[in-house]
Amino acid sequence: KNEVEQSPQNLTAQEGEFITINCSYSVGISALHWLQQHPGGGIVSLFMLSSGKKKHGRLIATINIQEKHSSLHITASHPRDSAVYICAVRWEYSGGGADGLTFGKGTHLIIQP
Amino acid sequence: AAGVIQSPRHLIKEKRETATLKCYPIPRHDTVYWYQQGPGQDPQFLISFYEKMQSDKGSIPDRFSAQQFSDYHSELNMSSLELGDSALYFCASSFPSSYNEQFFGPGTRLTVL
Repeated sequence: KNEVEQSPQNLTAQEGEFITINCSYSVGISALHWLQQHPGGGIVSLFMLSSGKKKHGRLIATINIQEKHSSLHITASHPRDSAVYICAVRWEYSGGGADGLTFGKGTHLIIQP
Repeated sequence: AAGVIQSPRHLIKEKRETATLKCYPIPRHDTVYWYQQGPGQDPQFLISFYEKMQSDKGSIPDRFSAQQFSDYHSELNMSSLELGDSALYFCASSFPSSYNEQFFGPGTRLTVL
């Protein structure tokens, strides 16, 4: 079964720290999503990547297709960044069409003041 | 900007009852995805529709069915509800492209008693 693995599962850091969350996957993908989920459930799409690097505010996402690995970085972390961060992929073999995502188990991030 | 709308946001049902969840995609998005997230679990893909036709099928139980209507909204019909169906049900929509970035709705929290 194709899998998406995230690390760490849980991360507690102090306000202002640089945060890195990692995602690795087992076979080729056509796209990788980084998602944020707050308590109460709503999911927000942060990035969709197929190559390279994207930046939005204090968030940076990178992907290395050859190594099947992606990272999400948060600079100058703030307590409001506390949430679950989820990596989700669309497998390459999907061949197009409206194919569902496969999700990692998420990283529970807590930023303490 | 308009987002994905789901209704109802919360639903309580008894075992063996039926439930219908609705999803209204972002305007001009013609692709809809349904996901199920059990308590403490990562989301699992159920089913997707493109241009009113079923496109991809994941781990959707036979007791569930779904369809997409001419205005592109979608409904997930769940019959003979079981306690294990209690979950957060997300809908996402996308505009067809080679990468299909998905935008998520707020979810419907279904509780089966």
